[in-house]
Amino acid sequence: DAGVIQSPRHEVTEMGQEVTLRCKPISGHDYLFWYRQTMMRGLELLIYFNNNVPIDDSGMPEDRFSAKMPNASFSTLKIQPSEPRDSAVYFCASSFVDFSNEQFFGPGTRLTVL
Amino acid sequence: KNEVEQSPQNLTAQEGEFITINCSYSVGISALHWLQQHPGGGIVSLFMLSSGKKKHGRLIATINIQEKHSSLHITASHPRDSAVYICAYMNRDDKIIFGKGTRLHILP
Repeated sequence: DAGVIQSPRHEVTEMGQEVTLRCKPISGHDYLFWYRQTMMRGLELLIYFNNNVPIDDSGMPEDRFSAKMPNASFSTLKIQPSEPRDSAVYFCASSFVDFSNEQFFGPGTRLTVL
Repeated sequence: KNEVEQSPQNLTAQEGEFITINCSYSVGISALHWLQQHPGGGIVSLFMLSSGKKKHGRLIATINIQEKHSSLHITASHPRDSAVYICAYMNRDDKIIFGKGTRLHILP
């Protein structure tokens, strides 16, 4: 297995533009997590899915952020409209079960909003 | 209030030294993770603990649920161990809380 795949690896965009980050979890993993990492706030959980269903989205900062998981092999995190304070590294991770099990992280997407 | 404190924030040591990184938390938890973030940014899950002790190679993780404290030890440290080590836990409300991380630098 290739591990968790994220795309793009780097994204530079201008304020106000829509940004879509993509994630392909490890096949067979039932849980998918989206995290954000900034220098100021460190790692934060944004949302996680179980069997494609969002379980906890309380970490999603505001309505500009949305996440979907249309099937077991694909998830998106969308920011519309983007703002400079959204600049961060966004990680996707997957696991067989919830946070009580080992998580496998993707390489991350470095987002810069100008 | 969910809090987690890691210490030290930064640690520089010579190759071969025994390393200890600490993580203290303030609420009841069901599981605690130790993560390693490489200088390139990639994150690897090292351990998941709910009690006791786990060992993998030169890495040992312990947790004391009563004292709300976990430690990560590295024996015979090597420059390739240089990374940021992050503890994270899920509290009883299923919220995931991350520490700020300990930046470890092992000198050859």
